[in-house]
Amino acid sequence: DAGVIQSPRHEVTEMGQEVTLRCKPISGHDYLFWYRQTMMRGLELLIYFNNNVPIDDSGMPEDRFSAKMPNASFSTLKIQPSEPRDSAVYFCASTSIGGSYEQYFGPGTRLTVT
Amino acid sequence: AQSVTQPDIHITVSEGASLELRCNYSYGATPYLFWYVQSPGQGLQLLLKYFSGDTLVQGIKGFEAEFKRSQSSFNLRKPSVHWSDAAEYFCAVGRTGGGGSNYKLTFGKGTLLTVNP
Repeated sequence: DAGVIQSPRHEVTEMGQEVTLRCKPISGHDYLFWYRQTMMRGLELLIYFNNNVPIDDSGMPEDRFSAKMPNASFSTLKIQPSEPRDSAVYFCASTSIGGSYEQYFGPGTRLTVT
Repeated sequence: AQSVTQPDIHITVSEGASLELRCNYSYGATPYLFWYVQSPGQGLQLLLKYFSGDTLVQGIKGFEAEFKRSQSSFNLRKPSVHWSDAAEYFCAVGRTGGGGSNYKLTFGKGTLLTVNP
């Protein structure tokens, strides 16, 4: 299995630009999670999906952030417009119902907003 | 709501020495507990997990952890540290009970481990 795939691995953009992060979960997994990791706040859950439906988006910091999961094998996290304080590493993770609750993480996308 | 505290932000040990990383959780029932490791530039990898049963669990890379209900702790241990163990370690707690929120984990802030030769 290829594991959770994220793209791009690194993104540098200017303030005000739209940023789209992508994630492909492990095949057969029906839960997908988006996290943000910063030095100050640690690892924060932004949103998670079950069977492509958003279940809890209470961690999304503000309306500039949006996430979609159009099908079982693809999800996006979009920031529009981006701000320097959005600079962080964004992780995607997946797991399967009936499994052992452990989440499998992708390698992350390091976002730098200048 | 559940929470996790990792009291040590940074620990330095010598190669070959023993290691214990502390984790305390807050949850009203017996939680699911996890330890993950993150190497620089990498995602998080599961080291071990506790759901029920034997309170001493074994994981990968020679790590083990012990669940102590009375202390609300789930400390990670290794008898002899290798230089390759240098990484950041995260403790996480998940809820028991029904519903999709079972799959939501709360992570501690992490403990950075440095290994001296």
